[in-house]
Amino acid sequence: EAQVTQNPRYLITVTGKKLTVTCSQNMNHEYMSWYRQDPGLGLRQIYYSMNVEVTDKGDVPEGYKVSRKEKRNFPLILESPSPNQTSLYFCASSRTSGRSRFYEQYFGPGTRLTVT
Amino acid sequence: TQLLEQSPQFLSIQEGENLTVYCNSSSVFSSLQWYRQEPGEGPVLLVTVVTGGEVKKLKRLTFQFGDARKDSSLHITAAQPGDTGLYLCAGVRSGNTGKLIFGQGTTLQVKP
Repeated sequence: EAQVTQNPRYLITVTGKKLTVTCSQNMNHEYMSWYRQDPGLGLRQIYYSMNVEVTDKGDVPEGYKVSRKEKRNFPLILESPSPNQTSLYFCASSRTSGRSRFYEQYFGPGTRLTVT
Repeated sequence: TQLLEQSPQFLSIQEGENLTVYCNSSSVFSSLQWYRQEPGEGPVLLVTVVTGGEVKKLKRLTFQFGDARKDSSLHITAAQPGDTGLYLCAGVRSGNTGKLIFGQGTTLQVKP
């Protein structure tokens, strides 16, 4: 089954404790991206990757890191989480060739993060 | 500043009514997409519009891309309770590769 998986689905942590949210896709997609979703703000892009070893900032990259060492994986790292990073996080992937050059996103199920 | 403004943000209607959701911008987009999201799940793509003036239909849903590629609309005919959800528009601005912009979303509730 074609899918994007994220782990963990739920996480409660404390300020300053480093954490990683994993994201994996099995569709051989070139493009992957991380978003956060907050009430009234819609989805905001954190980082995206056009392909292996190529990453770029989205609209809200501060406080986050990413890496793309393999095509299928795109982990999101919070080196020192703060309460304002409490949010619902989504990973997504897309092809970038042919019709899918329009970045039609396949989303994962989401990770709800609470930072106290 | 929201680059893609969606309106209305909330909509509560009775089953059988029609509705329109708007997605507006001052920027030109190479394409616009519409997604639907249900509670506890990730958004799911409904449609992509690419050409200015394009109209696409998906059963009772009609999507339109503005002639200038700065705006889009979603019209639902005879809404049903199963249409309830969060509708999101998203796009890539012309000349910007890979950076997706989302609207704030429209929460639709269709009451039986």
